[in-house]
Amino acid sequence: NAGVTQTPKFQVLKTGQSMTLQCAQDMNHNSMYWYRQDPGMGLRLIYYSASEGTTDKGEVPNGYNVSRLNKREFSLRLESAAPSQTSVYFCASSDQGVDGETQYFGPGTRLLVL
Amino acid sequence: AQSVTQLDSQVPVFEEAPVELRCNYSSSVSVYLFWYVQYPNQGLQLLLKYLSGSTLVKGINGFEAEFNKSQTSFHLRKPSVHISDTAEYFCAVTRLGSSNTGKLIFGQGTTLQVKP
Repeated sequence: NAGVTQTPKFQVLKTGQSMTLQCAQDMNHNSMYWYRQDPGMGLRLIYYSASEGTTDKGEVPNGYNVSRLNKREFSLRLESAAPSQTSVYFCASSDQGVDGETQYFGPGTRLLVL
Repeated sequence: AQSVTQLDSQVPVFEEAPVELRCNYSSSVSVYLFWYVQYPNQGLQLLLKYLSGSTLVKGINGFEAEFNKSQTSFHLRKPSVHISDTAEYFCAVTRLGSSNTGKLIFGQGTTLQVKP
């Protein structure tokens, strides 16, 4: 039982390049989330998926797209990376309505955009 | 809408001393409350949560928190800290009810620095 896994762990991009961050969970959770963490700002929600087949914008969705590929996987895509997207990205999952909405987090992806 | 304010960005403390990390929240509806801990270069893990019932909640590693509805606070405490408690701590809320999507609103984080 690996919990929530994320790939890659670290990535360097040039401005304008694209990339996809991968996330998978093996806890059979319905809900999945993408956050970004920046110093002094806590974690901010980018997108979330309440169930397979649905996605919704969070607090800071601009410049990102997501795909809920199946119940296990939720990917985050940067179509044209900008230096402002330099951050640490965390994926999380939860079983909505169960376990008090506790979210379980992956180890994070550190992204540097030059 | 909900919001969370962690009143201290950094809290330095000596080993074996008590510590309190402060968290206030704002919400027009009932909420669940959480404290998460993030050790260096790792993801977040749950310390404790308040869902209902007793306002004093005990978590892992000797931490506890008290929910105070009248003051809209959820402060985290530990009577005696260890070097290994050095980490960043996040307070978070999510709303209750049928419209809940499970989204967490996080505070800005508090860095606990335990000194020998």
